[in-house]
Amino acid sequence: GAGVSQTPSNKVTEKGKYVELRCDPISGHTALYWYRQSLGQGPEFLIYFQGTGAADDSGLPNDRFFAVRPEGSVSTLKIQRTERGDSAVYLCASSSTPGSIYEQYFGPGTRLTVT
Amino acid sequence: GNSVTQMEGPVTLSEEAFLTINCTYTATGYPSLFWYVQYPGEGLQLLLKATKADDKGSNKGFEATYRKETTSFHLEKGSVQVSDSAVYFCALGGPNTGNQFYFGTGTSLTVIP
Repeated sequence: GAGVSQTPSNKVTEKGKYVELRCDPISGHTALYWYRQSLGQGPEFLIYFQGTGAADDSGLPNDRFFAVRPEGSVSTLKIQRTERGDSAVYLCASSSTPGSIYEQYFGPGTRLTVT
Repeated sequence: GNSVTQMEGPVTLSEEAFLTINCTYTATGYPSLFWYVQYPGEGLQLLLKATKADDKGSNKGFEATYRKETTSFHLEKGSVQVSDSAVYFCALGGPNTGNQFYFGTGTSLTVIP
C-alpha cells in the first residue's frame, strides 16, 4: 500500500517568507508526527497529532511554527517569517496506534532551504 | 531526561566484516528501544525494536539486545553486505517519553566490496 508522502520534496525560499509543507499519512493512521532533521543530526520531535487535534506541540521551536490537521488525515506544517536557521529536512511520520512504543512510518521528508 | 548517545561515524567496512554500532541511552522509567535505517534517497525505516530489558530485536541479520544494566542497545551484524550501506539511528520511546521518539545523531555505514 501507499506509504507516507510529503510535498514538496525540496523547497527553497528567501528569508522572511512563509512556507507550507504537506504530509499525507498512511490511510487510517490516526497518529501523525512532525520532526525536523538538521544536517548530521537525528530527527527532533516537533508536534504530534491524534486525530484532528495537536496532542503535544512541545517541540515547536517558537511561535513562527504552526501545524494543522483539519480533517484528521493530511497535515500541513506552516512556518512564518522563515530564517536561515530553519533550513533542515522536515519529516512526517504516522502510526496506526498512538503512543511511541509503536512503529512510526516515516515519509521521505521535505528539504527546506532558506536563503 | 531522555537521550540517546550513538557511536559517531562514518564507519567503513569491507564486505563480510562484523559490524557493531554502539548506542547507550538515558531514560526515566522503562523505554522501548529502536534501530531505524535510512538508505540513500529513502525515508527512515524501522529495522528492529525491543520493548523490555533482555529482549533481543532482530531483522535482516541485524540484532540488538536491550541491556538495562548497561543502558545499551548496540546494533550488530555478523557479515555485512554492500546493500547495508546506510545511516543507522538508535531511538528511544515508550510510555514515559510521552509521544516523542528521541533519536541519536546517526551513524553512516559504507560497505565496500
